[in-house]
Amino acid sequence: QSVLTQPPSVSGGPGQRVTISCSGSDSNIGDHGVNWYQHLPGEAPKLLMYYSYLLPSGVSGRFSGSKSGTSASLAISGLQSEDEGDYYCSVWDGSLNGWVFGGGTKLTVL
Amino acid sequence: QVQLVQSGPEVKKPGSSVTVSCKASGGSFNNHAINWVRRAPGQGLEWIGTIIPIFGTTYYAQRLQGRVTITADTSTSTVYMDLRSLRSEDTAVYYCARPKTTVTSDALNIWGQGTKVTVAS
Repeated sequence: QSVLTQPPSVSGGPGQRVTISCSGSDSNIGDHGVNWYQHLPGEAPKLLMYYSYLLPSGVSGRFSGSKSGTSASLAISGLQSEDEGDYYCSVWDGSLNGWVFGGGTKLTVL
Repeated sequence: QVQLVQSGPEVKKPGSSVTVSCKASGGSFNNHAINWVRRAPGQGLEWIGTIIPIFGTTYYAQRLQGRVTITADTSTSTVYMDLRSLRSEDTAVYYCARPKTTVTSDALNIWGQGTKVTVAS
């Protein structure tokens, strides 16, 4: 069981918008910015969002993030087939002195 | 541009050990935390541990503590992850990753290509 809770799956049609939630606690999300990673088959994970809502260079503006209290979310607008894959939230947990990941959410583009 | 290049795939028997390496090139090494993360088939990403090479400071995931050791060779900018007493559940792709900055808790935006470790009799 993961420290951070994500829905196992989400889906949407091309061009639609989906949101992936991530729920944690005071010692992780409540105390640190949330990072989001995209993991496509056969590739290394890719950083999509950091400090909860900042886009790394080169990442599409179709991705956006937010955080409130001990929860965070990632929104993907204008869904494209290449967005299909697994998405993970992650945060540094000061009480564990390490990274915690959500269980991952599989995105299917219908 | 910093790159992390990992060693090749491994096939190991249960009870044995494996060492995976991660060599940094193209940038500074000592001050940046290097993390190990794995993904087993059908499972999610799992943090294994972190090392800060300049200090040799290490942090490990509690459930792997006692079986994993992470070391760094600053002369070759290489980090090693040793995993002992291998079980079938350790079959996974292992990644090294680091932040762009020297802040240990900053996002992991540089990743190695991954190393597949298969544990089978």
